Amino acid sequence: QSALTQPASVSGSPGQSITISCTGSNNDIGGYNYVSWYQQFPGKAPKVMIYEVSNRPSGVSNRFSGSKSGNTASLTISGLQAEDEADYYCSSYTGSSALLFGGGTKVTVL
Amino acid sequence: QVQLQESGPGLVKSSESLSLTCAVSGGSISTFNWWTWVRQPPGKGLEWLGEIYHSGNTNYNQSLKSRVTISVDKSKNQFSLRLISVTAADTAVYYCARVARNGVDIWGQGTLVSVSS
Repeated sequence: QSALTQPASVSGSPGQSITISCTGSNNDIGGYNYVSWYQQFPGKAPKVMIYEVSNRPSGVSNRFSGSKSGNTASLTISGLQAEDEADYYCSSYTGSSALLFGGGTKVTVL
Repeated sequence: QVQLQESGPGLVKSSESLSLTCAVSGGSISTFNWWTWVRQPPGKGLEWLGEIYHSGNTNYNQSLKSRVTISVDKSKNQFSLRLISVTAADTAVYYCARVARNGVDIWGQGTLVSVSS
């Protein structure tokens, strides 16, 4: 199964809001509310930022929010800060009981 | 708190098998969670390999299913990955992790496995 589709890069200035999209199909994003988003810094393990489409784990800043429409999920980072510069990955469970990741998006703070 | 630690050879010869173990500490592996392996080739994205429940039930990435086996040893509180017939394309950082309701919430630090010809 092909990876979920994310833009390779997204950039924004400090204080701005950016949105990262993640497009799948009816068999994954569109069919289930098991979309998660992960933040990864170079040389580090990923960290879950959003789960079940729009829920934030304890300790994650409320500047991070998630949503879904049809087969596309989105991660929005509000009030962009330098510390948000990292790679972001979406994931979704599929109808085949598999986990699918997106290709990743590099966020750059200008 | 629960912590995960991968262990295994950092170098594997092409056509041979890759075996890694993930030790779970700070909690039992026999909880209402799945345990998973994810890999990341250098400079590339994340790829899910498969997952296992403490009962032994598994789910695998269909593109790798014929080469991947994930097993669990409850007595040692650990789970393992075996990947056969490796090639250079299997060179990656391999992560073990816990799958909870709030996503893949606990990750090991990752271990780099290189495949040599």
